[in-house]
Amino acid sequence: AQSVSQHNHHVILSEAASLELGCNYSYGGTVNLFWYVQYPGQHLQLLLKYFSGDPLVKGIKGFEAEFIKSKFSFNLRKPSVQWSDTAEYFCAAGSARQLTFGSGTQLTVLP
Amino acid sequence: EAQVTQNPRYLITVTGKKLTVTCSQNMNHEYMSWYRQDPGLGLRQIYYSMNVEVTDKGDVPEGYKVSRKEKRNFPLILESPSPNQTSLYFCASSHRDSANGYTFGSGTRLTVV
Repeated sequence: AQSVSQHNHHVILSEAASLELGCNYSYGGTVNLFWYVQYPGQHLQLLLKYFSGDPLVKGIKGFEAEFIKSKFSFNLRKPSVQWSDTAEYFCAAGSARQLTFGSGTQLTVLP
Repeated sequence: EAQVTQNPRYLITVTGKKLTVTCSQNMNHEYMSWYRQDPGLGLRQIYYSMNVEVTDKGDVPEGYKVSRKEKRNFPLILESPSPNQTSLYFCASSHRDSANGYTFGSGTRLTVV
């Protein structure tokens, strides 16, 4: 069965610090990978996605992620976080038919 | 505006009283899904639909029903709600190739007392 693991449940950073959130997946066959963000009280929004090709993908708001097939990882990065990045971040793997989400990482950015 | 619309946003009900949460999308998406979000568990898929009259169970389907009579609508039905179904529910839709990922609705916070 497919699964997605996010090992950081809560990350607290100061503004301008660099961010890396871990995501590991277990999935048979070709996998599509996604990062979603959920701001307080809002629905999930797509940050970025990887289907194939360049393993370094860039998304909105300065986020990027790197797909490392040998490590089954798809970590999210941002060089310098802002207070407005405070949100919950979800990694997901799968297809339109069935998308499996990780348990989420709450990011708190201190001003 | 392209969107997924869920109603209601908030709902408090009593155990055993049937309820329906509506979901509608205006993007002509083939795929639609229902998820529930619980603290520490992320989002878990309840049911999904690949097209009209085609539905299948996700990871946590017990206690839920769905129907897909029209492409744009995908209601979630709780025939006899129980307190363990208290949760935040999201409807989502996608094109078949999921090129742009899922588009999510704004969520329905359900409390069953």
